[in-house]
Amino acid sequence: GENVEQHPSTLSVQEGDSAVIKCTYSDSASNYFPWYKQELGKGPQLIIDIRSNVGEKKDQRIAVTLNKTAKHFSLHITETQPEDSAVYFCAASFNDYKLSFGAGTTVTVRA
Amino acid sequence: SAVISQKPSRDICQRGTSLTIQCQVDSQVTMMFWYRQQPGQSLTLIATANQGSEATYESGFVIDKFPISRPNLTFSTLTVSNMSPEDSSIYLCSVEDRSTSGRYNEQFFGPGTRLTVL
Repeated sequence: GENVEQHPSTLSVQEGDSAVIKCTYSDSASNYFPWYKQELGKGPQLIIDIRSNVGEKKDQRIAVTLNKTAKHFSLHITETQPEDSAVYFCAASFNDYKLSFGAGTTVTVRA
Repeated sequence: SAVISQKPSRDICQRGTSLTIQCQVDSQVTMMFWYRQQPGQSLTLIATANQGSEATYESGFVIDKFPISRPNLTFSTLTVSNMSPEDSSIYLCSVEDRSTSGRYNEQFFGPGTRLTVL
């Protein structure tokens, strides 16, 4: 099955700086890569996703890049704000719904 | 996107008992799933809840321990049976729904049920 590795496990950034989280996947057939943000006491919230037919996608301060050859994808958050503090999970799937998740990255934005 | 609610939001249970978790969606969805998130860990798919037929379980999860019902396209239940402290986790319901663009499906999660087994 699919194996997704996520790094780093924790990330502390100064407010206004950028944060980057990287994931690698094992199954070359995977074609869907969502990112979720989970705040304390809540369920995961889909923040952005990318499919294998594009290399980059951006939504305001959040961007995701995908390198299919190297089988890795990354989340970029620019101009970080305190409300960006949360646990972020990457995931990968072949058939759009059977998601395999990374271990998660705890992001702390220092004011 | 679909709005998902779960009941109960949290519970504390005694070992050996069972708990049924409900998941309600505000619109009809084809695919519903149940995940487990152990303390401080990632999400693991338990099963796909199929409407009108038996759920499809992932490796390591069995129907006797986690029976699932899906009576219609907006509702599902997950039962955690004969609980032990190792079952203490967050249980999450998710659904596949159309993205805002309408071109693709995306997966959305409920708020979760926080279970503590003593």
